[in-house]
Amino acid sequence: EVQLVESGGDLVQPGRSLRLSCVASGFTFDDYAMYWVRQAPGKGLEWVSGITWNSNSIVYAHSVRGRFTISRDNAKKSLYLQMNSLRADDMALYYCVKGIGQYLGTLDVWGQGTTVTVSS
Amino acid sequence: EIVMTQSPATLSVSPGEGATLSCRASQSVTSNLAWYQQKPGQAPRLLIYGTSTRATGIPARFSGSGSGTEFTLTISSLQSEDFAVYYCHQYNNWPGTFGPGTKVDIK
Repeated sequence: EVQLVESGGDLVQPGRSLRLSCVASGFTFDDYAMYWVRQAPGKGLEWVSGITWNSNSIVYAHSVRGRFTISRDNAKKSLYLQMNSLRADDMALYYCVKGIGQYLGTLDVWGQGTTVTVSS
Repeated sequence: EIVMTQSPATLSVSPGEGATLSCRASQSVTSNLAWYQQKPGQAPRLLIYGTSTRATGIPARFSGSGSGTEFTLTISSLQSEDFAVYYCHQYNNWPGTFGPGTKVDIK
């Protein structure tokens, strides 16, 4: 069974940094692209970032470009999101998502999410 | 960035009836369009990708159609477990973008 377990969410002040992690199991991690998607309280889904299986291609939403960095460690079956200069509008539930193939495309299986709260 | 819109925002349907949800893209996304279902307190679940391919384990009552900028998700006969929010998502141009969602509730 595919499992994605996110961690690292916390209460953080505006302007500070946070690093999210996602540990994968139940599939060959380095065969798939991975993503972060977020959902603000009571709102819809927002695509944040995606990374191909070999990290050769990375894409960010305009809203986070220059502040967030996605990365992966295939040996550890882990996905990361380094979030700097956090703002109030970054507050959301952050989902780790497995892609449907090696390259950027459809989002397949979702984790349960980790909550980021940005407040002074 | 491609802007996705969905209509209606809310759709009230009686169990057993059919439902048609629409999704529109601000420019062509060819057939690179997916649909997700989200129930309260749960993570989204992939229903349809490539406009019309059902994901593993998705019942045949869910079907997708369209191309270019206009897409439709059809649920042929709503079951109690189908009342949820449905999102479309384009992955033709990066970054990917989602529609605002259509909530299907019980009439």
